[in-house]
Amino acid sequence: ILNVEQSPQSLHVQEGDSTNFTCSFPSSNFYALHWYRWETAKSPEALFVMTLNGDEKKKGRISATLNTKEGYSYLYIKGSQPEDSATYLCASANSNSGYALNFGKGTSLLVTP
Amino acid sequence: GAGVSQSPRYKVTKRGQDVALRCDPISGHVSLYWYRQALGQGPEFLTYFNYEAQQDKSGLPNDRFSAERPEGSISTLTIQRTEQRDSAMYRCASSRTASGNTIYFGEGSWLTVV
Repeated sequence: ILNVEQSPQSLHVQEGDSTNFTCSFPSSNFYALHWYRWETAKSPEALFVMTLNGDEKKKGRISATLNTKEGYSYLYIKGSQPEDSATYLCASANSNSGYALNFGKGTSLLVTP
Repeated sequence: GAGVSQSPRYKVTKRGQDVALRCDPISGHVSLYWYRQALGQGPEFLTYFNYEAQQDKSGLPNDRFSAERPEGSISTLTIQRTEQRDSAMYRCASSRTASGNTIYFGEGSWLTVV
């Protein structure tokens, strides 16, 4: 089982602030990196799936980058809104772990008006 | 089906009883995953299948936990001789192929062992 680490564990920002958090994962035999948004009492929803070093993906105010050589990904939220409050999960799959998708513990974001 | 369906949604069982949790993945999805999720935590990998073949079961906590997917569609996660520490949400997810694709989660089965 791979170690996927996310930081910070939690974050509290004001509406309008931009923020970012980090996911680190084993870089050897990398296959894919996923970001999910999870609101308590709901199922996690996919944000991005990235596979190539240098990938950058964007959805509205949220974007993500990927560095497979050093094993990290950043998720950015520009101009945070209260509705962005959720836990953001990243997960990585490597070919030497059978492609199983292993999740980090998440970064819990709270955006207050 | 339209989404990943899990049953039962809620299960309360007495310690020592066996429990079976069912997952019906999105139609045509090859890969099926089982995760356990504690309150406020990310999903913890248990096991996953491609078609009917169990590819990785390294996340199953001990030999009381087993999973099967005999026809490559519906899967059952079985916990034998349940213990209180087994209480958690058990989530199933599926994806079209291997984990380079988005995985879609079910709503989960809440298990409480009393």
